[in-house]
Amino acid sequence: EAEVAQSPRYKITEKSQAVAFWCDPISGHATLYWYRQILGQGPELLVQFQDESVVDDSQLPKDRFSAERLKGVDSTLKIQPAELGDSAMYLCASSFRLPTQETQYFGPGTRLLVL
Amino acid sequence: SQQGEEDPQALSIQEGENATMNCSYKTSINNLQWYRQNSGRGLVHLILIRSNEREKHSGRLRVTLDTSKKSSSLLITASRAADTASYFCACFGNEKLTFGTGTRLTIIP
Repeated sequence: EAEVAQSPRYKITEKSQAVAFWCDPISGHATLYWYRQILGQGPELLVQFQDESVVDDSQLPKDRFSAERLKGVDSTLKIQPAELGDSAMYLCASSFRLPTQETQYFGPGTRLLVL
Repeated sequence: SQQGEEDPQALSIQEGENATMNCSYKTSINNLQWYRQNSGRGLVHLILIRSNEREKHSGRLRVTLDTSKKSSSLLITASRAADTASYFCACFGNEKLTFGTGTRLTIIP
């Protein structure tokens, strides 16, 4: 069964360093999402792509976070510089198209610890 | 911000018993979905109920939706140890899926 791939699975970094996370969605899925999940809470949407275009990045802290999906397939989320409060699980998900009625398929996540 | 609030925050039951989790939300929705998350892993979609539906079944899962009360419930019957996980409701509205705070379910063998 096709799955969403994410790497790395775990990342430890020091405050003020740059980090990057990679996501490869299920083949054929046009919509890609990045979520942040703080321990004990539900995921919160950071950015949503439809193909290579950003559909929603209203909750993305744009002073330090950036996301791209240049060819409309895989995607990279970057944080520069990382802050202590960025410690969280970063989840990538994909769906066939804009989620009018669609479910989302999640990757295993990248757990980030900022020291 | 979290759209839904789930109740209880944590639930422990004996294997074989039924588990019920509730979700309340604030704004109008097109559909409501339930996801499961095993410790430290990604989320897995369980079931979707549309705003014009009142009840839906899938295997040992039963979901109800009351749009007048803006609430939903998830019932897991005949629980198993493998059901131990966090369960999240997610509301779809305004082309966005917004997750609740989750219920941590522990099944005691």
